[in-house]
Amino acid sequence: EAGVVQSPRYKIIEKKQPVAFWCNPISGHNTLYWYRQNLGQGPELLIRYENEEAVDDSQLPKDRFSAERLKGVDSTLKIQPAELGDSAVYLCASSLVGRGTHLYEQYFGPGTRLTVT
Amino acid sequence: KQEVTQIPAALSVPEGENLVLNCSFTDSAIYNLQWFRQDPGKGLTSLLLIQSSQREQTSGRLNASLDKSSGRSTLYIAASQPGDSATYLCAVRNYGQNFVFGPGTRLSVLP
Repeated sequence: EAGVVQSPRYKIIEKKQPVAFWCNPISGHNTLYWYRQNLGQGPELLIRYENEEAVDDSQLPKDRFSAERLKGVDSTLKIQPAELGDSAVYLCASSLVGRGTHLYEQYFGPGTRLTVT
Repeated sequence: KQEVTQIPAALSVPEGENLVLNCSFTDSAIYNLQWFRQDPGKGLTSLLLIQSSQREQTSGRLNASLDKSSGRSTLYIAASQPGDSATYLCAVRNYGQNFVFGPGTRLSVLP
């Protein structure tokens, strides 16, 4: 079974440029998460989708960040324009919400390391 | 608001030692708790997930315990190996909330 797929793995851009990250979750997983992880810290949630609905985007800086999950499968996270402080690793995770003992267990992709210069 | 801390921030041990990593959380009304491993430059790998009704979970040389009343979880690693070197993170989920992560413990197991 394929895991969570993310691309690109690395991205270097100049400030004020746009950037987009793509995520394909584990097949059948209805919940998708985007996290940002700064060096030496744990991941912080940006947005959570259940199917195609964004059920929690309270931590998403909406002035420059946007996300979409068309058809409830893969998702794109965009930053426009990027700032120096956006340099971080952007992680995507998925889980299956439903009956079972592993409810909400999260599976992570490898992440995209963004450097803004 | 849930806050998660992990002690120690870094740990270095010789190969073969048994060790304990700690995770503390402020709001004990949790739904579940998940332990992850993160290798440098990689994503997170799930190790163990404990539901709020459980006291512990075991997988191979790993054992995670949960004490909700004291707001603590421990990850026990038996007979540590150099391949166990990584950062270990715990994440806590309250009912109706999202996972909140701790900052992690960076483990080095020396040959």
